[in-house]
Amino acid sequence: NAGVTQTPKFQVLKTGQSMTLQCAQDMNHNSMYWYRQDPGMGLRLIYYSASEGTTDKGEVPNGYNVSRLNKREFSLRLESAAPSQTSVYFCASRTGENYGYTFGSGTRLTVV
Amino acid sequence: GESVGLHLPTLSVQEGDNSIINCAYSNSASDYFIWYKQESGKGPQFIIDIRSNMDKRQGQRVTVLLNKTVKHLSLQIAATQPGDSAVYFCAENPRTGNQFYFGTGTSLTVIP
Repeated sequence: NAGVTQTPKFQVLKTGQSMTLQCAQDMNHNSMYWYRQDPGMGLRLIYYSASEGTTDKGEVPNGYNVSRLNKREFSLRLESAAPSQTSVYFCASRTGENYGYTFGSGTRLTVV
Repeated sequence: GESVGLHLPTLSVQEGDNSIINCAYSNSASDYFIWYKQESGKGPQFIIDIRSNMDKRQGQRVTVLLNKTVKHLSLQIAATQPGDSAVYFCAENPRTGNQFYFGTGTSLTVIP
């Protein structure tokens, strides 16, 4: 049982480049989330999908887009990367409200 | 937005001693709380949770205490071991919310 799988684990982008971070879960969870983690700022929500077919903005959505491809997969896209998007990105999933998250191992992104 | 804070950013304890990590939350409507542990280079890992209808919950070597009157949460780790060295986050989920809000974390170092 793999849980939440994120790819890639590391990525270096040049300013202005685009990329998609992939996330897949095999726990049949309904809700999926993308967070970014920066030093001293904890985890901040970028976007989430409460159920298949829905997506909503979180605290810091600017510069990102998401796609809930199916119940298993939730991708995060950076259309034009900026140095401010250098961070560690975590995908998480849960069965629904009032349940805890299961996190992936993260993607460390550097934008130069 | 939500505000979840920790009283101490760092904590050092001797191996075998008990550790106490504190957390303050601001939303009185939050009814579900989780403590996560994050080791270096890994995603946050669920430790223990507590719902607002409880004051205390115990797990293996860990206890979470919830004081709703002062909106305070604490994590107690008994007989702290070197493997407990990590960053610990508290997270709150408001009753009507679709997400958890995370604190900035406390770094626990266990001295052998």
